[in-house]
Amino acid sequence: AQSVTQLDSQVPVFEEAPVELRCNYSSSVSVYLFWYVQYPNQGLQLLLKYLSGSTLVKGINGFEAEFNKSQTSFHLRKPSVHISDTAEYFCAVTRGGFKTIFGAGTRLFVKA
Amino acid sequence: DVKVTQSSRYLVKRTGEKVFLECVQDMDHENMFWYRQDPGLGLRLIYFSYDVKMKEKGDIPEGYSVSREKKERFSLILESASTNQTSMYLCASSPLLRGLNTEAFFGQGTRLTVV
Repeated sequence: AQSVTQLDSQVPVFEEAPVELRCNYSSSVSVYLFWYVQYPNQGLQLLLKYLSGSTLVKGINGFEAEFNKSQTSFHLRKPSVHISDTAEYFCAVTRGGFKTIFGAGTRLFVKA
Repeated sequence: DVKVTQSSRYLVKRTGEKVFLECVQDMDHENMFWYRQDPGLGLRLIYFSYDVKMKEKGDIPEGYSVSREKKERFSLILESASTNQTSMYLCASSPLLRGLNTEAFFGQGTRLTVV
């Protein structure tokens, strides 16, 4: 069965430090990949997506992710985080059919 | 501005009540989804619909049903609410690209408490 694994449930980091949130998926065929962000008591909003083309994808709020087909990974990065980046981040994969599978989420805590 | 609107942000219902959660999208998307979100479990798919009057079970359909009478509206029904259905419920819609879901657009969520 297809799965999405977010390797860290919580990531604490100091303001202005770089951060990487890790995501691995299981699939041997072409996929679409997504990162979403959820602020407290809100729905999810799209940060970035990989559908095809360049493996380095840039999103909103200074985030970027790299699709690595050989390692089946899609890690999210930001070179310098802000307090306002504190939120929960979800990796998601669509492969065939109409289902999108979400990871369990990573809580990013940005400390002053 | 694209929008998915859920009818309630917060709901408190009693055990055994029939509960309706409504969702409307204004983007003419084919696919609509209902998820529940619980801490540490991420989003789990309850039901989805790929066309009017068409529905498919997701990963956790037990205790739920859905209705899609119009393209823009997708309703989730808890036939007899139970305390283990206390959760955050998220509705989403998605366009298709080459037959696959692309990005999902989410509503604000409904936090349901069953007492």
